[in-house]
Amino acid sequence: GENVEQHPSTLSVQEGDSAVIKCTYSDSASNYFPWYKQELGKGPQLIIDIRSNVGEKKDQRIAVTLNKTAKHFSLHITETQPEDSAVYFCAVQIQGAQKLVFGQGTRLTINP
Amino acid sequence: DGGITQSPKYLFRKEGQNVTLSCEQNLNHDAMYWYRQDPGQGLRLIYYSQIVNDFQKGDIAEGYSVSREKKESFPLTVTSAQKNPTAFYLCASSPRTAPYGYTFGSGTRLTVV
Repeated sequence: GENVEQHPSTLSVQEGDSAVIKCTYSDSASNYFPWYKQELGKGPQLIIDIRSNVGEKKDQRIAVTLNKTAKHFSLHITETQPEDSAVYFCAVQIQGAQKLVFGQGTRLTINP
Repeated sequence: DGGITQSPKYLFRKEGQNVTLSCEQNLNHDAMYWYRQDPGQGLRLIYYSQIVNDFQKGDIAEGYSVSREKKESFPLTVTSAQKNPTAFYLCASSPRTAPYGYTFGSGTRLTVV
């Protein structure tokens, strides 16, 4: 089955700096790659996603890049703010399957 | 507003008891999911359902049971056979067609006392 590895598990950056989280996957048939943000005691919320026919997608300070050849995708957060502190999860959906496989999560801390 | 509601937010279970976690959505989504979240282990799939009256086991189904009698509802029962049930439980839903991200509920924290 699909295997998703997410790195790093924890990340601490200074406010205003950029943060990058990377995920690798194993199944080349995977075709959908969402990122979720989870604040303490809450359910994850979708923040950005990308499909396999696109290499990059940007939404204000957040961007996702996809390298299908290398089977990895990354979340980029620029100009980080204290409210960006949370746990971030990547996920992968295999074409034809109706479920997501999640990475292990990254705890991002923004230091003022 | 459309959304997905989990209840209760906190639940305490005694040893040997079965407990049922509620999940209701008004998004008209066909597919619904239950995940378990433990510290440092990400999200693990318990059960999922793509259509009413049908559901499939996920990666950690042992000790859990579900039903899908209505499109809007997907309750999860944690049985006494689940030896380590203390965890944060998340319900999610998604449209059935095309790959779409999930909409998650706010979760239920279950503690064995």
